[in-house]
Amino acid sequence: ETGVTQSPTHLIKTRGQQVTLRCSSQSGHNTVSWYQQALGQGPQFIFQYYREEENGRGNFPPRFSGLQFPNYSSELNVNALELDDSALYLCASSLARLAGGKETQYFGPGTRLLVL
Amino acid sequence: AQKVTQAQTEISVVEKEDVTLDCVYETRDTTYYLFWYKQPPSGELVFLIRRNSFDEQNEISGRYSWNFQKSTSSFNFTITASQVVDSAVYFCALSEGPRSWGKLQFGAGTQVVVTP
Repeated sequence: ETGVTQSPTHLIKTRGQQVTLRCSSQSGHNTVSWYQQALGQGPQFIFQYYREEENGRGNFPPRFSGLQFPNYSSELNVNALELDDSALYLCASSLARLAGGKETQYFGPGTRLLVL
Repeated sequence: AQKVTQAQTEISVVEKEDVTLDCVYETRDTTYYLFWYKQPPSGELVFLIRRNSFDEQNEISGRYSWNFQKSTSSFNFTITASQVVDSAVYFCALSEGPRSWGKLQFGAGTQVVVTP
């Protein structure tokens, strides 16, 4: 096990609602990255947080937002949910010496979101 | 454009056979990192190996080995003497630098099925 935890494990929402997913990073790690994995596809990078600041973002609209807290845990918020947001959301933590560090990312078990 | 290509969608083998997974990547950076992750049915991505672009030495770690060839932009991964527990989806990923270290770009994955 990586020590990265995510909650909840499963979630069902309806279109237009808002959702918050949570991630606790591995002890000592200061960077959290979020990925979206649609069924049958590879994970897609959403964004990364380093020491509470967003540090890099993938091709996702502004309704995907995040936070990182002083203890380096993180939240992913998605507003105005769409059917295509149904996916497995993975967070990964790493220990970076500088923003955008190249250290290996260790993943949590993910949150499965279903939007009806 | 897809930066990481895994042409094999599914490979089925009988236990104790070797399995080789192909990965072809595309980048203009001279410094980059390549990874292999395993995703069992539980969903968690498990880190397997990491290689930087300056080190083309191929190694063996237990039943895992890899073949990194910059000339052909390939980073193939082999499981020797496969076991049923190796059944999972395997992802190859690329981290380009220096401004995108934290963004892992994944291939579509290869499903490995090992039968007794």
